[in-house]
Amino acid sequence: SQTIHQWPATLVQPVGSPLSLECTVEGTSNPNLYWYRQAAGRGLQLLFYSVGIGQISSEVPQNLSASRPQDRQFILSSKKLLLSDSGFYLCAWSVLQGRHYGYTFGSGTRLTVV
Amino acid sequence: GNSVTQMEGPVTLSEEAFLTINCTYTATGYPSLFWYVQYPGEGLQLLLKATKADDKGSNKGFEATYRKETTSFHLEKGSVQVSDSAVYFCALRSGSARQLTFGSGTQLTVLP
Repeated sequence: SQTIHQWPATLVQPVGSPLSLECTVEGTSNPNLYWYRQAAGRGLQLLFYSVGIGQISSEVPQNLSASRPQDRQFILSSKKLLLSDSGFYLCAWSVLQGRHYGYTFGSGTRLTVV
Repeated sequence: GNSVTQMEGPVTLSEEAFLTINCTYTATGYPSLFWYVQYPGEGLQLLLKATKADDKGSNKGFEATYRKETTSFHLEKGSVQVSDSAVYFCALRSGSARQLTFGSGTQLTVLP
């Protein structure tokens, strides 16, 4: 079956500390991978997407970076967190199903920067 | 660019009440439209979708009709249950884009 694992579920980090959120998928190969963020009171905003190993597209300038070292692994990082990085981070993947893309989302990470 | 405007929450209803969550969009071309639901502690799940004008998506008693003339995709359910309590997201995917554009989400609480 197709599943997606994202961890941790919650995280509290001090300003200036590094960040690493990991997402892995199972049951599919060569998926498109995404990192979304939801800040308080706002919609889900696409941060990064990847169509293959080592291929990362950034949608918005920010304090974060993403990497895809393996086909089914997607990592969100920061060298120094800012207060504004607080939010709810969702990993997702999609594959073409017939004529349309099907999406699967992880359970999310609630990040609070203090 | 693409955008989704969604009814702000939170919404609190009694069991068996009628639910409407409004969603309007702006997009280039002819987007596909989606409603996702996030139950507490879980990831987003696809609730229903519509890929062309006048299509009606339906699932678990929820319905939404793709209205091109009003650029809307309102979510409705005739009789909500406590188990429907969740956050609902309207989303679109336009043209050849792989990614989804989401609304801000609507928190629904159904009281017994």
